[in-house]
Amino acid sequence: EADIYQTPRYLVIGTGKKITLECSQTMGHDKMYWYQQDPGMELHLIHYSYGVNSTEKGDLSSESTVSRIRTEHFPLTLESARPSHTSQYLCASSRTVNTGELFFGEGSRLTVL
Amino acid sequence: KQEVTQIPAALSVPEGENLVLNCSFTDSAIYNLQWFRQDPGKGLTSLLLIQSSQREQTSGRLNASLDKSSGRSTLYIAASQPGDSATYLCAVRPSNNDMRFGAGTRLTVKP
Repeated sequence: EADIYQTPRYLVIGTGKKITLECSQTMGHDKMYWYQQDPGMELHLIHYSYGVNSTEKGDLSSESTVSRIRTEHFPLTLESARPSHTSQYLCASSRTVNTGELFFGEGSRLTVL
Repeated sequence: KQEVTQIPAALSVPEGENLVLNCSFTDSAIYNLQWFRQDPGKGLTSLLLIQSSQREQTSGRLNASLDKSSGRSTLYIAASQPGDSATYLCAVRPSNNDMRFGAGTRLTVKP
């Protein structure tokens, strides 16, 4: 059982609002990731972190930002949401050493009106 | 750049059938390969992880194999059940870098 949590699970907001999607894991994993997935489509990596104070952009360009102040916490922020940001956002984590197995949260489905 | 392909994109079978899902990748220099299940609107659930030095892994009715030299992996599901209906994703980790995902195979098992 993966111990990685995302909130909120569902969010409907209006254009221009600032939103933060929360992601926390209790497994002590050093690596954390954010993926974006549209319905029925592939996952695209938008941000990742290899440890505290380390953040990098992924393959897919995103207007969101992330921070990693604590090992267990990797929030994603959109300063001004637009309808094009409507999507599912999936958080994941893994260890650098050992198996490197990737664990996912349940996802946050964002709808911007 | 590592690319991951899954065939077929969709599969519909009657309950009880044994089935095979295919995954191919372009670069054999991988750290591990992981199979996931995704239910609609949900996150991904890890099914099986195969390290680069391993040939197969088994969990219950699931068996995953890995042939690095040919760039292929298969997920075998025995005695399929309606509850197995989901999208199955294959992901490859190139030499301890970030995972590369396939587009998935959408499986429907009819009662």
